[in-house]
Amino acid sequence: EVQLLESGGGLVQPGGSLRLSCAASGFIFDTLAMSWVRQAPGKGLDWVSTINFSGGSTYYPDSVKGRFTISRDNSKNTLYLQMNSLRADDTAVYYCAPSTTSAYFQHWGRGTLVTVSS
Amino acid sequence: DIQMTQSPSTLSASVGDRLTITCRASQSISSWLAWYQQRPGKVPTLLIYKASSLETGVPLRFSGSGSGTEFTLTISSLQPEDFATYYCQQYNSYSLTFGGGTKVEIK
Repeated sequence: EVQLLESGGGLVQPGGSLRLSCAASGFIFDTLAMSWVRQAPGKGLDWVSTINFSGGSTYYPDSVKGRFTISRDNSKNTLYLQMNSLRADDTAVYYCAPSTTSAYFQHWGRGTLVTVSS
Repeated sequence: DIQMTQSPSTLSASVGDRLTITCRASQSISSWLAWYQQRPGKVPTLLIYKASSLETGVPLRFSGSGSGTEFTLTISSLQPEDFATYYCQQYNSYSLTFGGGTKVEIK
């Protein structure tokens, strides 16, 4: 059974930093790309970042490029998201999800809430 | 970036109704489209991938069609558990993008 457990969320002030983690199990971690998708309260889904199976390629939308960094440790089956220069509009539940080269999401974690507020 | 536009944004329907939700892409995405269902307070679940392929375990009343820029999700006979929000997502290219969602409410 695929399990994805996000952690690291919390309350942070504007301009602050936070590091999210996603512990994965139930599949061969180092064969799949991994992504972060977020959902602001009462809003829709918003793709945040993707990293390929080896960590050699990363992708970001303009909204987080230069502020967020995705990484992975295949020896620990763990995905990370380093978030810097956080803004109020980064407030959301952050989900991690694996995918093949076809980047749709069969499995989702339960998410971790990030709140950016003073 | 490819923009995904869903319509309608809200839909009121009754149990047993046939429903169609439309998703339009700002440029051709071939068949690289997925549909998700999200019930209130729950995590999204995959319904359809590659525009028309039904995910394992998803009831047959759900179907998807389309290619290029116009896609539809159809529920042939709405069930009580289908009242939820539905999202399309293109994966033709990065940036990945989602539609704004269609909330299906009880009439």
